[in-house]
Amino acid sequence: TQLLEQSPQFLSIQEGENLTVYCNSSSVFSSLQWYRQEPGEGPVLLVTVVTGGEVKKLKRLTFQFGDARKDSSLHITAAQPGDTGLYLCAGVPSTDSWGKLQFGAGTQVVVTP
Amino acid sequence: KAGVTQTPRYLIKTRGQQVTLSCSPISGHRSVSWYQQTPGQGLQFLFEYFSETQRNKGNFPGRFSGRQFSNSRSEMNVSTLELGDSALYLCASSPGTQMNTEAFFGQGTRLTVV
Repeated sequence: TQLLEQSPQFLSIQEGENLTVYCNSSSVFSSLQWYRQEPGEGPVLLVTVVTGGEVKKLKRLTFQFGDARKDSSLHITAAQPGDTGLYLCAGVPSTDSWGKLQFGAGTQVVVTP
Repeated sequence: KAGVTQTPRYLIKTRGQQVTLSCSPISGHRSVSWYQQTPGQGLQFLFEYFSETQRNKGNFPGRFSGRQFSNSRSEMNVSTLELGDSALYLCASSPGTQMNTEAFFGQGTRLTVV
């Protein structure tokens, strides 16, 4: 059982459409991170959300951290083919050792022209 | 600032052999973590080293081991390889403090066991 549950597992959309990826847990996190991974490469950090209720924007990407710090979402506006990749959320539960960063299973996003 | 370097990028081994993978973290980072990534299981945490000590361990058998040197470079060893060990092995570098757990990954080592 994954500590962080991501949904959906797979998303295929057309260029210009919007999409949202969810990351949920029953545990409380002091912060959550989002990464994007391309085939054959390591994940690349996109953002860290720290405060409950926080919203962060990175160009067309909007990240939210739930008020209770148990969930997060990633919203992409007007998706482009370059947004294609595996999106991963990760965090260290508040009750766990801060060196043990754990990942969700990921959401594979495919944006077609 | 140089990123995380993993060597080798690709490796093919035979069942029963052992393998050692290497990771050089970002300068100044004291934490190095190792992950195994497979299509079915996603990113699974292997272990984390901080200042030459194993600080955290995942749920992997004892065939998987690691160490960290005084310059923070880390190695991971897998003994008696099994077919199921075929995976992308990722190393992540981090400041490793409570205030900052952000991880920076290398490109990974693709291990194939035949």
